[in-house]
Amino acid sequence: AQSVTQLDSQVPVFEEAPVELRCNYSSSVSVYLFWYVQYPNQGLQLLLKYLSGSTLVKGINGFEAEFNKSQTSFHLRKPSVHISDTAEYFCAVSDRTNAGKSTFGDGTTLTVKP
Amino acid sequence: DVKVTQSSRYLVKRTGEKVFLECVQDMDHENMFWYRQDPGLGLRLIYFSYDVKMKEKGDIPEGYSVSREKKERFSLILESASTNQTSMYLCASSTTGTTPGELFFGEGSRLTVL
Repeated sequence: AQSVTQLDSQVPVFEEAPVELRCNYSSSVSVYLFWYVQYPNQGLQLLLKYLSGSTLVKGINGFEAEFNKSQTSFHLRKPSVHISDTAEYFCAVSDRTNAGKSTFGDGTTLTVKP
Repeated sequence: DVKVTQSSRYLVKRTGEKVFLECVQDMDHENMFWYRQDPGLGLRLIYFSYDVKMKEKGDIPEGYSVSREKKERFSLILESASTNQTSMYLCASSTTGTTPGELFFGEGSRLTVL
């Protein structure tokens, strides 16, 4: 069985400050890892994904994430946030054995203040 | 541009009514999913389908059923709506041909049961 823990339910930050949203996972097999973003009243869209290879993954809107196998973490970072980054962020995990099913964390609400 | 379309963005129904939520994807994806999203609980999988006429229960199938008569269409059915089914419902699709677990989401259907 897989599980995902997003360590912070809410992260307030000032505009142009750096931010890190934390995600830990557990799985007994090799995994694929994802971060999705959800803007108000919209569906989720893919921010970035880790499949294999380089542990530093770059995504859209200046976000990046680092896969750390020993710590089973996949933290999301951005060096300088904008007001428009205010949204809910979800970490998710899947693997090849479960027909593409994903397990999601509970979400982190990022609020960027002016 | 790839697309997952959910037929209704907002619905208001009464307790005991039968409710149909429709989802159509234009990407020829094999897998389709229905998730429920509630504040603080992340996304919870209701049902999924990996082929036409095939369905599998997710984590919270009670009170729901699904139908997949055509590859592009996946319907969620609430046989007798109850107030505790008031929620945001998200449809998603994926293909096993590229990245297992990478999901493409619709805009969501917000259901209120009175």
